[in-house]
Amino acid sequence: GAVVSQHPSRVICKSGTSVKIECRSLDFQATTMFWYRQFPKQSLMLMATSNEGSKATYEQGVEKDKFLINHASLTLSTLTVTSAHPEDSSFYICSVRRTGSMNTEAFFGQGTRLTVV
Amino acid sequence: EDQVTQSPEALRLQEGESSSLNCSYTVSGLRGLFWYRQDPGKGPEFLFTLYSAGEEKEKERLKATLTKKESFLHITAPKPEDSATYLCAVQARNSGYALNFGKGTSLLVTP
Repeated sequence: GAVVSQHPSRVICKSGTSVKIECRSLDFQATTMFWYRQFPKQSLMLMATSNEGSKATYEQGVEKDKFLINHASLTLSTLTVTSAHPEDSSFYICSVRRTGSMNTEAFFGQGTRLTVV
Repeated sequence: EDQVTQSPEALRLQEGESSSLNCSYTVSGLRGLFWYRQDPGKGPEFLFTLYSAGEEKEKERLKATLTKKESFLHITAPKPEDSATYLCAVQARNSGYALNFGKGTSLLVTP
């Protein structure tokens, strides 16, 4: 069964509005979750690392005020795209790994296709 | 800077025609190399993890191998259901839990 649940799978929003994407770890508690972004025919690009109970760590070039991350519990992280614009349209994917072990596979959610019109 | 390069970008095979996908990497201390399968509009699905040169892993028609500079994903007698994008990712020793992905190889297997 699924290890990671991501919701919604698709969302269309108007330019200037905000969109929230949820990522739930179903099988284990995850103190760390990851948010990736994928453009067509491109690789997954890490946007940020979500840390339970503390601030997220953002990759270079990712605006933390635009992509708000909240990791309020050990099984839930949310990504909010604020004041969305058409260039934010992309495929957003979250990932979890079992903490305490560096050598484990990452499990991915089913992704969220965001279209900003 | 860590780099992951996959080739070819796209590959078309006939059913039963075996081939290999390549993942070349440059990383400051490899902790692990991962292979994933991604279907259109879906998140990546885990296939293999390789940790050291010389290691091999198999699963059904797929076999992954690792050297100090590259990894191969061998597909033996592929079927149309093997059509997908195959992603390679590396984890460096100084990168925490994050993975650095290649752009993938889009595989199409025709009947």
